[in-house]
Amino acid sequence: DGGITQSPKYLFRKEGQNVTLSCEQNLNHDAMYWYRQDPGQGLRLIYYSQIVNDFQKGDIAEGYSVSREKKESFPLTVTSAQKNPTAFYLCASSTILDRGRETQYFGPGTRLLVL
Amino acid sequence: AQKVTQAQTEISVVEKEDVTLDCVYETRDTTYYLFWYKQPPSGELVFLIRRNSFDEQNEISGRYSWNFQKSTSSFNFTITASQVVDSAVYFCALHGSSNTGKLIFGQGTTLQVKP
Repeated sequence: DGGITQSPKYLFRKEGQNVTLSCEQNLNHDAMYWYRQDPGQGLRLIYYSQIVNDFQKGDIAEGYSVSREKKESFPLTVTSAQKNPTAFYLCASSTILDRGRETQYFGPGTRLLVL
Repeated sequence: AQKVTQAQTEISVVEKEDVTLDCVYETRDTTYYLFWYKQPPSGELVFLIRRNSFDEQNEISGRYSWNFQKSTSSFNFTITASQVVDSAVYFCALHGSSNTGKLIFGQGTTLQVKP
């Protein structure tokens, strides 16, 4: 089945630790995105990538890093510089169409908790 | 600046009632796309509809209908004869043609449908 997978479902981080969230898609989409969702709030864009080996910062990129070595994969690392990492992280992917016509499809999410 | 406002934080209805979720948006782009997503308790965002700024026809899909009015910058979502399975958080989102890769989300409306 085509879709987006995220792992793990739950992730626990100790103080000062870097953790990496996995996102894989088999939809043959060129673009991938990472969002953060805090309780009672909408989604905020962390990073996005429209092509392999290229990515752009979103609205809240500080304390996060990404890589895009393969079209199918877009891992997100939450670094120790992110002081408030507890949140629900959602990965999405889309084709690339002009003028914003593309629809983003989302994975099941990873919930990150700080110990 | 682009912005999406969902003024209703929470709505509670009894099963079989009709319910309308409001969405008001702001953009200076003449070409833009509006979306609705459903987030059930499992967390994954499910795509419901995409509308472009040049198509103001209302859309109906089963019990769901959408009313797009450019004059009031609104894109409201109505569920007819609500069911318990409709209980979820619903997000309205905007993608302007000048805002490559950025989907702007509203804060979300939590809908609770009671049996």
